[in-house]
Formats: sequence, structure tokens, C-alpha cells
Amino acid sequence: DGGITQSPKYLFRKEGQNVTLSCEQNLNHDAMYWYRQDPGQGLRLIYYSQIVNDFQKGDIAEGYSVSREKKESFPLTVTSAQKNPTAFYLCATSFRGANVLTFGAGSRLTVL
Amino acid sequence: AQTVTQSQPEMSVQEAETVTLSCTYDTSESDYYLFWYKQPPSRQMILVIRQEAYKQQNATENRFSVNFQKAAKSFSLKISDSQLGDAAMYFCAYRTGSSGTYKYIFGTGTRLKVLA
Repeated sequence: DGGITQSPKYLFRKEGQNVTLSCEQNLNHDAMYWYRQDPGQGLRLIYYSQIVNDFQKGDIAEGYSVSREKKESFPLTVTSAQKNPTAFYLCATSFRGANVLTFGAGSRLTVL
Repeated sequence: AQTVTQSQPEMSVQEAETVTLSCTYDTSESDYYLFWYKQPPSRQMILVIRQEAYKQQNATENRFSVNFQKAAKSFSLKISDSQLGDAAMYFCAYRTGSSGTYKYIFGTGTRLKVLA
């Protein structure tokens, strides 16, 4: 089945540790996006990538890093520099010309 | 910078009635796309409806329709014959950018409750 796979679904982290969230897609979509969702704040854009080996910062990139070595994969690393990392993280993709976002099921990160 | 504003944090509607969710946006672009996404308790984001700015005709998908007022930068969602399954968070979104570098900007959401 074609789709977007985010893993893990739930993740717990101790303060000071880096953690990587995985996003894999087999839709052959060109663009990939990472959003953070907090109660009352909607979805805020962290990073996005239109093509392999290229990505741009979104509105809240501080404390996060990404890579785009393959078209199918766009992992997000939450570093220890991120002050409030506890949140729900959504990965999304878009096919060039389709003008619509398709979302994964999300990953819930909790910092203990 | 483009912004999307949803001024209703929460709305309620009786089953089978009609409800309208509001959204306004700010932009200097002339060509763009607007969206409504639904997020049920499962948290899976689902596209409800899409509007292309250069099309004057309002988009419709079954019980869902929009009122797109380009000059007023308003994009409201009307849900007719509301059903219990419509209960969810609804997000208004705007696609910005040109030359293939697109960003999607979301509002803060409206929680819709459907009363039996």
C-alpha cells in the first residue's frame, strides 16, 4: 500500500538526549514537510524539502535538524537544544503540481 | 509573511444542523490555494476541501462547501446536515510560494462538537 510511515508512534526521551523521528514515503512525492502540533497553536512548520539534498527552515527550526539523502526519507532530529520538545510531530508529503498535502499518522514525543 | 487566522477555538452544532467555521488569511500573492483539513480523535489529518484562488466558483464536496471571498481574504467552511462523525479539529491552511518552493501555513484550529 502506498503511504507515509512515521515511526515510532510514541517516544519518550530524557532531557539532554537527541532523538530522531523517521518519515518514509512510497508515494513518489517530491516534497516532504515536518510540522509540530501543540494544543491551541495549530501546526507549525519546522523544515521542508522540495528535492533530495536540499531543505529549507520553516518557522520554528531552532533545535531541530533534518536530512534528505533519499527521495523516500526525511528524518527529523530533535536535539537537546530544543527547549520544549514535548509535542505531536507530523510528517507530510506533496507531489509536484498536486497542490495538496498528504499526512502521516504522527509521532508523539514526550520528554521526561 | 502570510498568516492564517481561525478566531473560533470551539464550535458546537446539533446533529443534522448546519455550521460554519471561519477563516481569514493575509497575503500579497494573487495565485494560491486554500484548504480545510479535518483531524479526528485519531489525529490523522484528512483533506476536506481545496480552493484555488483564481477560481471564483466556491468548492463543494458533498456536505462540505466553502464561501471564498478573495477581496476580503475570507475562506469559511460550511458543513450541512452535520453528523456525529464530523466531530473533530478543523484546520484552515494556505499554500504559499512560487517556482515549486511551496509552504503550507496552518491556522490554530477550531474544535467542532456535534451534539446528538
